[in-house]
Amino acid sequence: GENVEQHPSTLSVQEGDSAVIKCTYSDSASNYFPWYKQELGKGPQLIIDIRSNVGEKKDQRIAVTLNKTAKHFSLHITETQPEDSAVYFCAASGSGGYQKVTFGIGTKLQVIP
Amino acid sequence: EAGVAQSPRYKIIEKRQSVAFWCNPISGHATLYWYQQILGQGPKLLIQFQNNGVVDDSQLPKDRFSAERLKGVDSTLKIQPAKLEDSAVYLCASSLVSGNYGYTFGSGTRLTVV
Repeated sequence: GENVEQHPSTLSVQEGDSAVIKCTYSDSASNYFPWYKQELGKGPQLIIDIRSNVGEKKDQRIAVTLNKTAKHFSLHITETQPEDSAVYFCAASGSGGYQKVTFGIGTKLQVIP
Repeated sequence: EAGVAQSPRYKIIEKRQSVAFWCNPISGHATLYWYQQILGQGPKLLIQFQNNGVVDDSQLPKDRFSAERLKGVDSTLKIQPAKLEDSAVYLCASSLVSGNYGYTFGSGTRLTVV
């Protein structure tokens, strides 16, 4: 089955700096890569996703890049703000219906004001 | 639109007791998932429903866990008997269709087994 590795496990940045979280996946058939943000006491919330036919996707301060050859994908947050502090999960899923989404272990991001 | 509703928010039980969690997905969402999230880890899929049929329960410990989805809408997840290692947050999620689309998660039920 799919295995998703995520690092770092914790990340502290100064407000205004950028944050990068990296993930690797094992199944070359995976073609959908969502990112979730989980705030304390809440369920994960989808913040951005990318499909294998795209190398990069951006949404305001958040961007995701995908390198299918290396089986790497990354989340980039620019101009970080205190409200970005949360746990971020990467995930990977295969094609077709009923495909299971496998999550990484999570990265706890702390933005220091 | 209303989100995914889960209850209770918190539950503390003794080992070997039974417990049940309830989930009401977003209206019209055909696919429903139950995930287990142990502290410090990512969510792990327990069971996936498409309408009221099970499409993946390969990681559900069937000797103690059971789940059903009534009339393709609400779902319940039951643990009987509970073990200490079942302490976790149980998350319910739903999506409009199965496949590669983002889920909407509920806030979860935090279970503590003592």
